[in-house]
Amino acid sequence: DAGITQSPRHKVTETGTPVTLRCHQTENHRYMYWYRQDPGHGLRLIHYSYGVKDTDKGEVSDGYSVSRSKTEDFLLTLESATSSQTSVYFCAIRAGTSGEETQYFGPGTRLLVL
Amino acid sequence: EDQVTQSPEALRLQEGESSSLNCSYTVSGLRGLFWYRQDPGKGPEFLFTLYSAGEEKEKERLKATLTKKESFLHITAPKPEDSATYLCAVQAIDSNYQLIWGAGTKLIIKP
Repeated sequence: DAGITQSPRHKVTETGTPVTLRCHQTENHRYMYWYRQDPGHGLRLIHYSYGVKDTDKGEVSDGYSVSRSKTEDFLLTLESATSSQTSVYFCAIRAGTSGEETQYFGPGTRLLVL
Repeated sequence: EDQVTQSPEALRLQEGESSSLNCSYTVSGLRGLFWYRQDPGKGPEFLFTLYSAGEEKEKERLKATLTKKESFLHITAPKPEDSATYLCAVQAIDSNYQLIWGAGTKLIIKP
């Protein structure tokens, strides 16, 4: 158990509404990631963070922004949700000994945009 | 372009019927290959990391192997509780620790 929680776990919203998803970790890991998972696709990286206030884009970052003001929290915001952003969102942290690190995942947030 | 392809998309086996899942990859330089298990409604759960061709790792009924072009996840005498989607990902040497994911293989073990 990597001590990762995500909130909310389920959300239904309407097109055009802003939405913020929260990822919380308890073990002070430096790297945190946001992915989306859709049928027929592998996990796709949205944004990642390598420290407080240090973030970078992944392969599917359009329409998403992130913030990390504390080590333990990584927020994903959909400024104006669209139906194409209906998906399951996973947060992950990177942990392990140097050179043998891997990613550990939270339980996910299921988002439906109507 | 770095790429990961998993096959088959789905596999149905009888309990006790051994088989293998495939993960083919194209990457400029491999730092590591990862296998995860994902149960419905849950996040991926880490299983193995392989770093070099010829390496093998085992856990209960699962054994992962690696060559220069692909990895296999061998399942020996599976049980219904092994039913899950198995995900493969690779990390390239120049990737800043980002992973490239396959779409997964859904494994169903019938009792």
